[in-house]
Amino acid sequence: DAGVTQSPTHLIKTRGQQVTLRCSPKSGHDTVSWYQQALGQGPQFIFQYYEEEERQRGNFPDRFSGHQFPNYSSELNVNALLLGDSALYLCASSQPSLGRSGANVLTFGAGSRLTVL
Amino acid sequence: DAKTTQPTSMDCAEGRAANLPCNHSTISGNEYVYWYRQIHSQGPQYIIHGLKNNETNEMASLIITEDRKSSTLILPHATLRDTAVYYCIVRKETSGSRLTFGEGTQLTVNP
Repeated sequence: DAGVTQSPTHLIKTRGQQVTLRCSPKSGHDTVSWYQQALGQGPQFIFQYYEEEERQRGNFPDRFSGHQFPNYSSELNVNALLLGDSALYLCASSQPSLGRSGANVLTFGAGSRLTVL
Repeated sequence: DAKTTQPTSMDCAEGRAANLPCNHSTISGNEYVYWYRQIHSQGPQYIIHGLKNNETNEMASLIITEDRKSSTLILPHATLRDTAVYYCIVRKETSGSRLTFGEGTQLTVNP
């Protein structure tokens, strides 16, 4: 059973460019969220998608946008790249809480490492 | 979500129990304690979570104090593959997919 898959695994961009990262959720999961992890820090929540709509958003500028497709896969787009956008971008999927309360467990992918020069 | 405090780093001998503490003194009654870990070059991995009772699964045990202001994650027989950054996270059931990660504890298991 494939878990969360992300592509590409590594990419290099220059300042001002745009980037698109892709994520396929774990089988049976319908909710996708994105996190940014700078070197040496914990992941930071960007946003969550469910039923093809953004449901929650962290403290990130509008340069960060996303999309969810009918098959639950998702894209993260970042426009006008800055040096500070260099980070590991993590995708996580989950399903609505079933049974036990509070059990909204996230399954993370291995991430896409973005370097902005 | 309540703030958590963890030691920056810990060491453990292979085969021994690893006990990772977490302080969450401002936790609310409806907030759960979650533990995730991140092995180098991988995404975070869910370990365990609990509300007020102690919990155990195939990976670890979670001990929550009676006043819920702190907890301890126990890896009963640590192996070299348990070397990772361990994150203690407090979240409400209504937080959805939003997890607030701190800097975690770097656990190094030594041979």
